[in-house]
Amino acid sequence: NAGVMQNPRHLVRRRGQEARLRCSPMKGHSHVYWYRQLPEEGLKFMVYLQKENIIDESGMPKERFSAEFPKEGPSILRIQQVVRGDSAAYFCASSPRTSRVNEQFFGPGTRLTVL
Amino acid sequence: GQNIDQPTEMTATEGAIVQINCTYQTSGFNGLFWYQQHAGEAPTFLSYNVLDGLEEKGRFSSFLSRSKGYSYLLLKELQMKDSASYLCAVPRGGGSQGNLIFGKGTKLSVKP
Repeated sequence: NAGVMQNPRHLVRRRGQEARLRCSPMKGHSHVYWYRQLPEEGLKFMVYLQKENIIDESGMPKERFSAEFPKEGPSILRIQQVVRGDSAAYFCASSPRTSRVNEQFFGPGTRLTVL
Repeated sequence: GQNIDQPTEMTATEGAIVQINCTYQTSGFNGLFWYQQHAGEAPTFLSYNVLDGLEEKGRFSSFLSRSKGYSYLLLKELQMKDSASYLCAVPRGGGSQGNLIFGKGTKLSVKP
């Protein structure tokens, strides 16, 4: 059973370009979470999605950032017009569909560098 | 609001025991997680405590006191590979399957 997959693992963009980060959850998991980790900082929640629904986007900046989890395919975190401050590791996590609190399984992360 | 505090760094010797503390403030407690994160890698799940007391899992144990808003992770018989950051996290707002609020992590260095 494959774990959470993220690609690309490393992404370099120039200021003003767009960054697209992809996440495929573990098989059987229908909940996806995106977190951002700045150097020497803790993980910060960005957005929580289920298939075709954004459940909680309270941690995501209102501008330039968007996320989706379509019926088919991976979840996408999109950052438009990137700035140097967007340089960070972006982790995706998934959990199964149950009614109780579940551990979240993390992907290997995408390290975004904005030049 | 919600807040999690844990020491920034700790150093211990191979073969020793180390205790990493975590204090939290949350509205509506719904369990506490510990994750291990090696440099440049993904966090991996270590433990989840929802009831008071100590839970042991091999060399690692986790303790919770809900009345004190306090948890610790105990690592025994330390190995060099245990050098990593240890992250304390609680679900936000007490809801199930909600996002996790993480502490900044405790960077543990194990010396020979």
